Amino acid sequence: RKEVEQDPGPFNVPEGATVAFNCTYSNSASQSFFWYRQDCRKEPKLLMSVYSSGNEDGRFTAQLNRASQYISLLIRDSKLSDSATYLCAVNPYYGNNRLAFGKGNQVVVIP
Amino acid sequence: GAVVSQHPSWVICKSGTSVKIECRSLDFQATTMFWYRQFPKQSLMLMATSNEGSKATYEQGVEKDKFLINHASLTLSTLTVTSAHPEDSSFYICSARNGRRVEQPQHFGDGTRLSIL
Repeated sequence: RKEVEQDPGPFNVPEGATVAFNCTYSNSASQSFFWYRQDCRKEPKLLMSVYSSGNEDGRFTAQLNRASQYISLLIRDSKLSDSATYLCAVNPYYGNNRLAFGKGNQVVVIP
Repeated sequence: GAVVSQHPSWVICKSGTSVKIECRSLDFQATTMFWYRQFPKQSLMLMATSNEGSKATYEQGVEKDKFLINHASLTLSTLTVTSAHPEDSSFYICSARNGRRVEQPQHFGDGTRLSIL
């Protein structure tokens, strides 16, 4: 089983709508979780860290479900500029220094 | 915010050439730097982790003699692809972190597109 899995999509979203997607991870001992945004042919940019209690940043809400081993990202009131690939990153196991990245969820916001 | 600069952005060269890529943290001290490779529509694949002043730790399957990493200062790491061949063509991205704790986020450089003819 892969360390981190994401449904690549694409997720086609009408402008103004809400979209949500998940990222599952294989190791229950994982401690750190992040969402990154990657535009086509560009480097990933940190969107937000994901905390146990969940966190919100403007139109973006991230949550962690430890029981089912996934993190989620919800985007409200989608803008055309939200079109990108959203990568989740998880440290694969406790005490490990690195992050494992998923393939990304591709979001396409349609006018 | 944290800024990481990577240079060059594009490299096109002949097979057999060695290519050096630089990664600099501009406004923070990068205790730890990471080098990734990404093929089209694939996830970021970690190649190696380097801590300032130490030898890099390579991921399984990554040849340390082919991908030379130097992290001589808190603001600069370099990756040298030695005797590059067409199969080495990829998008190489560095990231830097201020500290060694995994809960501290990584900040990425702009990436380098390497094309070997």
